[in-house]
Amino acid sequence: NAGVTQTPKFRVLKTGQSMTLLCAQDMNHEYMYWYRQDPGMGLRLIHYSVGEGTTAKGEVPDGYNVSRLKKQNFLLGLESAAPSQTSVYFCASRSRQGSSYEQYFGPGTRLTVT
Amino acid sequence: GENVEQHPSTLSVQEGDSAVIKCTYSDSASNYFPWYKQELGKRPQLIIDIRSNVGEKKDQRIAVTLNKTAKHFSLHITETQPEDSAVYFCAASDYKLSFGAGTTVTVRA
Repeated sequence: NAGVTQTPKFRVLKTGQSMTLLCAQDMNHEYMYWYRQDPGMGLRLIHYSVGEGTTAKGEVPDGYNVSRLKKQNFLLGLESAAPSQTSVYFCASRSRQGSSYEQYFGPGTRLTVT
Repeated sequence: GENVEQHPSTLSVQEGDSAVIKCTYSDSASNYFPWYKQELGKRPQLIIDIRSNVGEKKDQRIAVTLNKTAKHFSLHITETQPEDSAVYFCAASDYKLSFGAGTTVTVRA
């Protein structure tokens, strides 16, 4: 099993450009999450999904959109990138069932907006 | 929403000594409290977690304690080793985690 994978690993954007980050998991997890991590701060939740076709806002959703068309994929979109969106983005997933609440993280995407 | 505060922000310990990191949370409905370790450039990795119906949990050199009344929980690392050097994050809630700001732990040889 690959676990949670993210594409791309690195990206540099110019202000105003758009892009989509892809998260994929092969663990059949219902819950998926997008976080951003800035220096000196913990992870902050951007958006999350509790199942295919559903999404919800997290703590810092402004400037981002998401989609969960397939259970295994969770896409994060930046329509018009801003320098304030320079960050490391982590995707995570978790099973709704069973006794474990553990969230499994992807390797991250380092995004720089100039 | 949930608010998690973590202290200290940095911690330097001599190899073999113990390290303690403390977190407080605001939402009394939170029922799950994981601790993650993150090495430079890597993803966060779960090292231990505790549910609200348990007061203490131990896994070899790592232990976590939870005080629901006071809304705080702590990570204890005993007999620290150089490979314990990393950033540690606490988190709280259920299916939607709120993270503390992190503690950079340095173990001096």
